[in-house]
Amino acid sequence: AQSVSQHNHHVILSEAASLELGCNYSYGGTVNLFWYVQYPGQHLQLLLKYFSGDPLVKGIKGFEAEFIKSKFSFNLRKPSVQWSDTAEYFCAVGGSQGNLIFGKGTKLSVKP
Amino acid sequence: EAGVTQFPSHSVIEKGQTVTLRCDPISGHDNLYWYRRVMGKEIKFLLHFVKESKQDESGMPNNRFLAERTGGTYSTLKVQPAELEDSGVYFCASSLTGLAVYEQYFGPGTRLTVT
Repeated sequence: AQSVSQHNHHVILSEAASLELGCNYSYGGTVNLFWYVQYPGQHLQLLLKYFSGDPLVKGIKGFEAEFIKSKFSFNLRKPSVQWSDTAEYFCAVGGSQGNLIFGKGTKLSVKP
Repeated sequence: EAGVTQFPSHSVIEKGQTVTLRCDPISGHDNLYWYRRVMGKEIKFLLHFVKESKQDESGMPNNRFLAERTGGTYSTLKVQPAELEDSGVYFCASSLTGLAVYEQYFGPGTRLTVT
């Protein structure tokens, strides 16, 4: 069965620091990959997606993620975080039936 | 455009009681999903409706859980009888079709506490 691993449970950064959140998936075939984010008090929302093509994908709010097939990874990055990026971030793989398979999530706290 | 709504936002019930959660998807979204997050764990898929039909219910934990989607619009998830391990946040999501099936719009969740 497909699975997703997120390496960090809680990351604490100061504003302007660079961010990289790790994500590895188990499936070796064609994958559709996603990062979702849940800001405090808000709904879970799509941050960025990868279906095919350029392995470096850009999402909203300056986030990007790189798909590295050989490493089964889809890490999320942002060069300079802001206090407003404080949220919980979820990596997900698209299942064969349209469902999403999530990792456990990484809480990001950004200190002003 | 109204988003996905869920009711109630929070429910506290005793073990053995029945609870019904409701989800109203975005209008025009044929796909509707239920997920659950138990504290400290990942968000797990429960089931998927396409219009009024169950497309995939492989994630339903057991037969105490019953989901319906009346007329392809809103959906309900009933837990009867509830057990302690059913506590968690239940999310509903909806989406369009094709590859957009994965671009799911989530509701705020219903926090279920079974005591």
